[in-house]
Amino acid sequence: AQSVTQPDIHITVSEGASLELRCNYSYGATPYLFWYVQSPGQGLQLLLKYFSGDTLVQGIKGFEAEFKRSQSSFNLRKPSVHWSDAAEYFCAVGASTGGFKTIFGAGTRLFVKA
Amino acid sequence: DAGVIQSPRHEVTEMGQEVTLRCKPISGHNSLFWYRQTMMRGLELLIYFNNNVPIDDSGMPEDRFSAKMPNASFSTLKIQPSEPRDSAVYFCASSLGGGFTGELFFGEGSRLTVL
Repeated sequence: AQSVTQPDIHITVSEGASLELRCNYSYGATPYLFWYVQSPGQGLQLLLKYFSGDTLVQGIKGFEAEFKRSQSSFNLRKPSVHWSDAAEYFCAVGASTGGFKTIFGAGTRLFVKA
Repeated sequence: DAGVIQSPRHEVTEMGQEVTLRCKPISGHNSLFWYRQTMMRGLELLIYFNNNVPIDDSGMPEDRFSAKMPNASFSTLKIQPSEPRDSAVYFCASSLGGGFTGELFFGEGSRLTVL
């Protein structure tokens, strides 16, 4: 069965520092992979997605993610974090079994300190 | 363009009462998803529709939950009778196409509290 693991429940980084959020997935075929961000009291917003091709994917707000098939990973990165990046981040995998549905990881909450 | 619209944003009710949550997807989107978010279980997919037809309702917790999509612009999620363990934020999301583009557009959620 498809699943997504985000090993870090929360992470704290200093403003201006680099960020990497980890994501591992389980899926038998080539996965569709996503990162979403959720600000407090809001719904989720897509940051970026990977379907095929270049394994380094650029997204909005300066985020990027790299797909590594050998490690079943899709880690999210940002070179310099801003205070406004504080939010919860969800990795997700899309499964085309009997239709299309998206399965989310448990999320990683990012705290940014001044 | 308007996003996914959910109502009510907040609902407080007593155990045993019926709760109806509503969703208007983005015009032109043909897939609609209901998710539930709690601290303990994270984001759970309850049910999703494609072209108004329920495709997968395996995430619906039990018979107390039901969902309908009578037309392309409206969906409801009903809980009857409600229980305290149903307290959660319920999100509706819509998506374009059966082409598996996959991007979900979320509403702001309906926060349900069952006393």
